[in-house]
Amino acid sequence: EVHLVQSGAEVKQPGESLKISCEGSGFSFPNYWIGWVRQMPGKGLEWMGTIYPGDSDTRYSPSFQGQVTISTDTSISTAYLQWSSLKASDTAMYYCARQQGSYTDVRNFDYWGPGTLVTVSS
Amino acid sequence: EIVMTQSPATLSVSPGERASLSCRASQSVSINLAWYQQKPGQAPRLLIYGAATRATGVPARFSGGGSGTEFTLTISSLHSEDFAFYYCQQYNNWPFLTFGGGTKVEIK
Repeated sequence: EVHLVQSGAEVKQPGESLKISCEGSGFSFPNYWIGWVRQMPGKGLEWMGTIYPGDSDTRYSPSFQGQVTISTDTSISTAYLQWSSLKASDTAMYYCARQQGSYTDVRNFDYWGPGTLVTVSS
Repeated sequence: EIVMTQSPATLSVSPGERASLSCRASQSVSINLAWYQQKPGQAPRLLIYGAATRATGVPARFSGGGSGTEFTLTISSLHSEDFAFYYCQQYNNWPFLTFGGGTKVEIK
């Protein structure tokens, strides 16, 4: 059975760095694109970027390019989302999700993690 | 960027009634369109992909249709557990994925 397990909630101050994680199990982790989706309080879903663990090919939404870094460690089937300097506007729920398809035929998200709530406040 | 527009923003429906949700793309996405359901405090759940294919375990009362720029999610007879937010998402313009703004289905 496919599972995505995300790291726990974080409370940070503006300017701090943060790295949250998403561990996959029940599937061949290197062979599926893993995406990150933001949901700000009371708002909709926004795609941030996606990584292919097999070769670390990473694609970013223009809205998030340069704002976050997505990485992976295939030895522990884990993807990461990190910030070097958080802002209050980064306060949101962050979901990781697996994408259906293959490296060249990338499709919808089929399995989702439970989310990591990030709160940035002074 | 392909803009996805969902309507209405809120749909008030009585249990047992039919609900039709709309999703419009700013340019053709073929049938590369998915629908997700999200309940408060939960992660989204895949309902429909390829515009009309139900995901594993999704009840038959959910159906998707459309192609190109116009899509519909229909819930034939609303159950209490169906009151939630619904989002469409295009994946035709990979690697630029976009979601619609969502429709809230609430109890009338």
